[in-house]
Amino acid sequence: DAGVTQSPTHLIKTRGQQVTLRCSPISGHKSVSWYQQVLGQGPQFIFQYYEKEERGRGNFPDRFSARQFPNYSSELNVNALLLGDSALYLCASSLIPLAPSYNEQFFGPGTRLTVL
Amino acid sequence: QKEVEQNSGPLSVPEGAIASLNCTYSDRGSQSFFWYRQYSGKSPELIMSIYSNGDKEDGRFTAQLNKASQYVSLLIRDSQPSDSATYLCAVNTGFQKLVFGTGTRLLVSP
Repeated sequence: DAGVTQSPTHLIKTRGQQVTLRCSPISGHKSVSWYQQVLGQGPQFIFQYYEKEERGRGNFPDRFSARQFPNYSSELNVNALLLGDSALYLCASSLIPLAPSYNEQFFGPGTRLTVL
Repeated sequence: QKEVEQNSGPLSVPEGAIASLNCTYSDRGSQSFFWYRQYSGKSPELIMSIYSNGDKEDGRFTAQLNKASQYVSLLIRDSQPSDSATYLCAVNTGFQKLVFGTGTRLLVSP
């Protein structure tokens, strides 16, 4: 079975531009979460979506937005890019059992975004 | 105080030894705990999850949880050079939000 897929793999943008990152979860998984990982740090939570609704948001500015589609795939959008947005953007998928706090999250390969 | 704390390392162990990785967390309400392995330039890979106090073993890996002390650890027995990576401790603080430590870099020398 295919794991979590993300596209593109790498992306180079300039300051002020906008970017859209895409994620397809593991087949059967209905929840997608987005994380940002800067060099030398652990991933930081950005958003969580389940059944097309935002269920959680991390401490990120409104320039960051996301959505989930009926097939459970997701997009992360970042507007007005800053140099500090350069990072590895990770998508994680999970099932949602009756006890969601116990849900394991599986990461995709990530999108490496460089802002010049 | 950081929500999840790990020693950044590097932790150096010889091949065949036991590697012990530690993590503390601040939110007493946390219910689930995870260890991820991340090779340089790659994404995190889930290796262990633990929800109850005590030990959980899976092959060469043992996760230990002590909720009273707010402490999670990962033991890697018979360490191999291929285990050299950064190990991330993650805590679920609510629904699907994982809070990660900064990771401990493990180096296993042949």
